[in-house]
Amino acid sequence: DIQMTQSPSSVSASVGDRVTITCRASQDISSWLAWYQQTPGKAPKLLIFAASNLQSGVPSRFSGGGSATDFTLTISSLQPDDFATYYCQQANTFPFTFGPGTKVDIK
Amino acid sequence: EVQLVESGGGLVQSGRSLTLSCRGSGFIFGDYAMSWVRQAPGKGVEWVSFSRSKAHGGTTEYAASVKGRFSISRDDSKGVVYLQMDSLKTEDTAVYYCTRAVSYSGYEQFDYWGQGTVVTVSS
Repeated sequence: DIQMTQSPSSVSASVGDRVTITCRASQDISSWLAWYQQTPGKAPKLLIFAASNLQSGVPSRFSGGGSATDFTLTISSLQPDDFATYYCQQANTFPFTFGPGTKVDIK
Repeated sequence: EVQLVESGGGLVQSGRSLTLSCRGSGFIFGDYAMSWVRQAPGKGVEWVSFSRSKAHGGTTEYAASVKGRFSISRDDSKGVVYLQMDSLKTEDTAVYYCTRAVSYSGYEQFDYWGQGTVVTVSS
């Protein structure tokens, strides 16, 4: 199975800050990576697919990059609604696997 | 508007069975793969099972942790996907989310999620 890791596990930031989260796959997954945002008590929400494609309706302050084994999710200017947990997910091979999550909270 | 509504969760004893249902609306259900994803209390997200559309063979996939115990099926005429869970274990306790899988160049990601249904397995 492909193992996914994320760093950091948590980050404290302020509104307006630029935040970057890293996701690493245990083997080459090309560009088949998705990012999700989850707020407490809610289902995850798709933000980015195929590493860098913004899902419809997602604000442009979110961007994704990377390929092969190393990927990033960047929030260019953190907004109050962005305080949440972020998960990466490899879509290259079954079983699909998610990263352990990165919690973005208020500094 | 795409909607996914799960039902069937509840409290069940270890070793027993439970069937979850998810009704989709606002899209042509039979055109999409569907999947179940779960989240144990205070934990991360875990993919559980996947059902391809008939156009893509209608085949299924399972996580190793549930293979042989869980079974996914679908009734496209009703717009419903099911998750039959047998031989339940306490570690199956989680919120179970139904998701729609959208294909991009043949690779799937989960673009719509239901609100989740809680399954609690007691010992």
